[in-house]
Amino acid sequence: GENVEQHPSTLSVQEGDSAVIKCTYSDSASNYFPWYKQELGKRPQLIIDIRSNVGEKKDQRIAVTLNKTAKHFSLHITETQPEDSAVYFCAAIAFSGGYNKLIFGAGTRLAVHP
Amino acid sequence: GAVVSQHPSRVICKSGTSVKIECRSLDFQATTMFWYRQFPKQSLMLMATSNEGSKATYEQGVEKDKFLINHASLTLSTLTVTSAHPEDSSFYICSAPRGDEQFFGPGTRLTVL
Repeated sequence: GENVEQHPSTLSVQEGDSAVIKCTYSDSASNYFPWYKQELGKRPQLIIDIRSNVGEKKDQRIAVTLNKTAKHFSLHITETQPEDSAVYFCAAIAFSGGYNKLIFGAGTRLAVHP
Repeated sequence: GAVVSQHPSRVICKSGTSVKIECRSLDFQATTMFWYRQFPKQSLMLMATSNEGSKATYEQGVEKDKFLINHASLTLSTLTVTSAHPEDSSFYICSAPRGDEQFFGPGTRLTVL
């Protein structure tokens, strides 16, 4: 089945710097890759997603890149702010047992220091 | 966007009791819903897929007799943790798909004493 690996597990940056989180997936049939931000005790919040027919997508300070050949995708946050501090999860859709299921990476705890 | 609610948001129970968690899609119909469990500082782990009109399908290692799932209608799925024990204490989150996107409930914090 699908396996999603995420690095790093923790990331500490100064306000204004960029942050990059990387994920790899195993199932070449996966075609949808969302990224979630989760604050303590809250539900995951979709921040950006990318489908397999594009290589890059950008939304203001957030961008995602996808390399289907290498089976990896990355989240880029520019001009980080303290309110970006949270846990970020990548995920990939895997078709299993008749359903499209989301398989999550282990998460990255991002700390942005003023 | 689509809205998914979950109830209760927080529950504390004694060991050996059963706890029911409800997940509702408020403004769309969901023939499928997913249940996740999240332990502190860990990722979301898929427990089971809830299907309206048929039995739930469980991920490997999840006890179907302990985590009872009922998809009663196109907008409601329930997860019952039976004979709860302290190791079942966790954050339980449901989601409902619409297209490729998953819409998550706010989660239920279960604490078993």
